[in-house]
Amino acid sequence: AQSVTQPDIHITVSEGASLELRCNYSYGATPYLFWYVQSPGQGLQLLLKYFSGDTLVQGIKGFEAEFKRSQSSFNLRKPSVHWSDAAEYFCAVVGERGATNKLIFGTGTLLAVQP
Amino acid sequence: KAGVTQTPRYLIKTRGQQVTLSCSPISGHRSVSWYQQTPGQGLQFLFEYFSETQRNKGNFPGRFSGRQFSNSRSEMNVSTLELGDSALYLCASSLTSGGNEQFFGPGTRLTVL
Repeated sequence: AQSVTQPDIHITVSEGASLELRCNYSYGATPYLFWYVQSPGQGLQLLLKYFSGDTLVQGIKGFEAEFKRSQSSFNLRKPSVHWSDAAEYFCAVVGERGATNKLIFGTGTLLAVQP
Repeated sequence: KAGVTQTPRYLIKTRGQQVTLSCSPISGHRSVSWYQQTPGQGLQFLFEYFSETQRNKGNFPGRFSGRQFSNSRSEMNVSTLELGDSALYLCASSLTSGGNEQFFGPGTRLTVL
């Protein structure tokens, strides 16, 4: 069965420091992968997506992610974190690629940013 | 272009009651999916509708149901509410089905007392 693992429940970084959030997936074929961000009391905002092609994908707000098939990973990165990046981040995979839009989410990583 | 809208934003019900939540997708989007978010279970898929047909259903009891109208607006209904149904219910819309990117609404916060 497809699954997504986000090993880090909570991460704290200093403003201006670099950030990497980890995501590992389990999927039989090439997956469709997504990163979403959720601010308190809000819905989910799409940061970036990977469907195929270039394994390094650029997203909004200066985020990027790299798809590594050999490691079944899709880690999210940002070179310099801003205080406004404090939020919860979710990695997700489409459950049945090409068949439905069903998303399987990881448990999320809560990011805190220290001044 | 307006985003996904969900009504109501907040709802308080008591056990045994039923509730209907509404979702209006982005104009032109034909797929609507529903998710439940709780602190214990995280984000879980409820169901997806595309062109008024249910495409997929998550592992939830029959008390949870939904439908989609010809204008792509969707409703979900929960009957005989239980305390454990307290959650944030999120709706997401997409142009089509089949793995497209989805845009989420702000959610409906349901509290069951």
